[in-house]
Amino acid sequence: DTGVSQDPRHKITKRGQNVTFRCDPISEHNRLYWYRQTLGQGPEFLTYFQNEAQLEKSRLLSDRFSAERPKGSFSTLEIQRTEQGDSAMYLCASSPLGVVNNEQFFGPGTRLTVL
Amino acid sequence: GEDVEQSLFLSVREGDSSVINCTYTDSSSTYLYWYKQEPGAGLQLLTYIFSNMDMKQDQRLTVLLNKKDKHLSLRIADTQTGDSAIYFCAVQRSNDYKLSFGAGTTVTVRA
Repeated sequence: DTGVSQDPRHKITKRGQNVTFRCDPISEHNRLYWYRQTLGQGPEFLTYFQNEAQLEKSRLLSDRFSAERPKGSFSTLEIQRTEQGDSAMYLCASSPLGVVNNEQFFGPGTRLTVL
Repeated sequence: GEDVEQSLFLSVREGDSSVINCTYTDSSSTYLYWYKQEPGAGLQLLTYIFSNMDMKQDQRLTVLLNKKDKHLSLRIADTQTGDSAIYFCAVQRSNDYKLSFGAGTTVTVRA
């Protein structure tokens, strides 16, 4: 399967703990995005990378959130001191450069539950 | 940010046509997309349209864009049970890379 993969698929944690999610984009896709989707809502943009450079961060991304893409391939999203309000589906997407319609290919998501 | 509105639910009989509507606020939206989300699965791009187009047809799918009213619709012809899913409208500005999504329309196909 050469699609976008995310790990883990599900994560249950206690409030105050740190969690880290991983996203592996489609090979050779330069652009990588993180979105968050809460129940009954559409995905909301969190951050965007072009290669290893983080080019944009949403105001939704508080200081407790950090994302990296150190070698321009996979990316990690870390949430420190988790809160119950962080419970959501975290989606990763990737897209290639030079495509007119900028189709973003989404992974299956990581569902986070904070108890 | 961009506001994208969709009706939340649609129930349709198998074999009928479904029409899902979407409105957006930013007139500089250049790319407009329809995504499908099935339970436990990621978002799947169904189709897209550029803002300089009025209509796009792709097999059972027809997208209509009224740029003046900032209204986008997706018509699914001959709706099947496999079309039951949540459908998201998403828009993107030409100088931007992020997508702004609506809340999704849950389509239920009944026999």
